[in-house]
Amino acid sequence: QKEVEQNSGPLSVPEGAIASLNCTYSDRVSQSFFWYRQYSGKSPELIMSIYSNGDKEDGRFTAQLNKASQYVSLLIRDSQPSDSATYLCAVNVGPGSARQLTFGSGTQLTVLP
Amino acid sequence: DADVTQTPRNRITKTGKRIMLECSQTKGHDRMYWYRQDPGLGLRLIYYSFDVKDINKGEISDGYSVSRQAQAKFSLSLESAIPNQTALYFCATSDSFGATQYFGPGTRLTVL
Repeated sequence: QKEVEQNSGPLSVPEGAIASLNCTYSDRVSQSFFWYRQYSGKSPELIMSIYSNGDKEDGRFTAQLNKASQYVSLLIRDSQPSDSATYLCAVNVGPGSARQLTFGSGTQLTVLP
Repeated sequence: DADVTQTPRNRITKTGKRIMLECSQTKGHDRMYWYRQDPGLGLRLIYYSFDVKDINKGEISDGYSVSRQAQAKFSLSLESAIPNQTALYFCATSDSFGATQYFGPGTRLTVL
């Protein structure tokens, strides 16, 4: 089992719709969770970080964390064509001082005009 | 100016050649990382460094070595490049364990 898994894409949504991106992780003691956006050929950029159970909202983006279910999601409301990118989920995994960010393989999102 | 820079941005080399990728940062972060990205595989950690005297292997360190010349500089070397090292390489920094990582623009490496 991969340590961080994302729902397989690609995902297409019409402009203005809600895009839902999902991520599960295997390390029960993970404490830090991140969503990065990566445009083709560019470097990942941080969209959201979340550390506590529940929802965290930032503009059109909402991150949701459920540690009991080992599940983190990203909702993008009022999706725009400029949101078309690959979204990477990242989770802190590993023992003690060796804990590192582990990335999922990404979900490619296309927002159709 | 960018906070995390990488040189070169693109490199084509031949099998067996030694190549060095360099990363510099002005963010004042202690922690630096090297990742490679292959299509469909996400980002995989090659090496990481928590300070100048601390170097650690990541998930896929075989065939790579690193040098932390200063707090701001972290270099990745391929001693004898092979074609399956063709990938996009990213350097990243963070200021504390588990904190946000900031990525450089990437180096696209092609090994023929």
